[in-house]
Amino acid sequence: GAVVSQHPSRVICKSGTSVKIECRSLDFQATTMFWYRQFPKKSLMLMATSNEGSKATYEQGVEKDKFLINHASLTLSTLTVTSAHPEDSSFYICSADRAVGKTQYFGPGTRLLVL
Amino acid sequence: TQLLEQSPQFLSIQEGENLTVYCNSSSVFSSLQWYRQEPGEGPVLLVTVVTGGEVKKLKRLTFQFGDARKDSSLHITAAQPGDTGLYLCAGEGGAQKLVFGQGTRLTINP
Repeated sequence: GAVVSQHPSRVICKSGTSVKIECRSLDFQATTMFWYRQFPKKSLMLMATSNEGSKATYEQGVEKDKFLINHASLTLSTLTVTSAHPEDSSFYICSADRAVGKTQYFGPGTRLLVL
Repeated sequence: TQLLEQSPQFLSIQEGENLTVYCNSSSVFSSLQWYRQEPGEGPVLLVTVVTGGEVKKLKRLTFQFGDARKDSSLHITAAQPGDTGLYLCAGEGGAQKLVFGQGTRLTINP
């Protein structure tokens, strides 16, 4: 099966610092990855589409300078939350699009707590 | 804007009962997926339905895609405590994006 990993699984940081979250497709190549944010007891909200070798596409209302996305290879996308504030605390989930079967496979998520 | 309305949003039933979760939209989707999510984990794909009228079974779970590909349902027979979780439907919108429903938080009481 297709496996997507995320690192770290949880992170606590001080307000004002930057945090990088990695998303890797372990056994397939993904030209497209997606980053979601999930609030407690809520559904997933798409933040941006990460495209290998090109700029990410952000959803309306998501600050691209706040949430930096880099998709440097076909198996790795990173999300950097810059100058994090307590309101950025959330569960961040990535998914990788596997072309075969047009299916997105999700990572296990990263819980971010900004103090 | 494509929207998926999922209902009910919360459901708590006794072990052994049957239940159905609905996912409705005014938009047509080329495919629709159902996920299950445990607390603190990412969603896990249960099934993808592609063809209008399609029915797929996964043990005690039955998934149906509406004829017009605007709605879907998940039926669980003889629910068990292990079925407890957040169930999400998601339709494939444009540019490979998934449009998610609000989710159904299911609790099966022993």
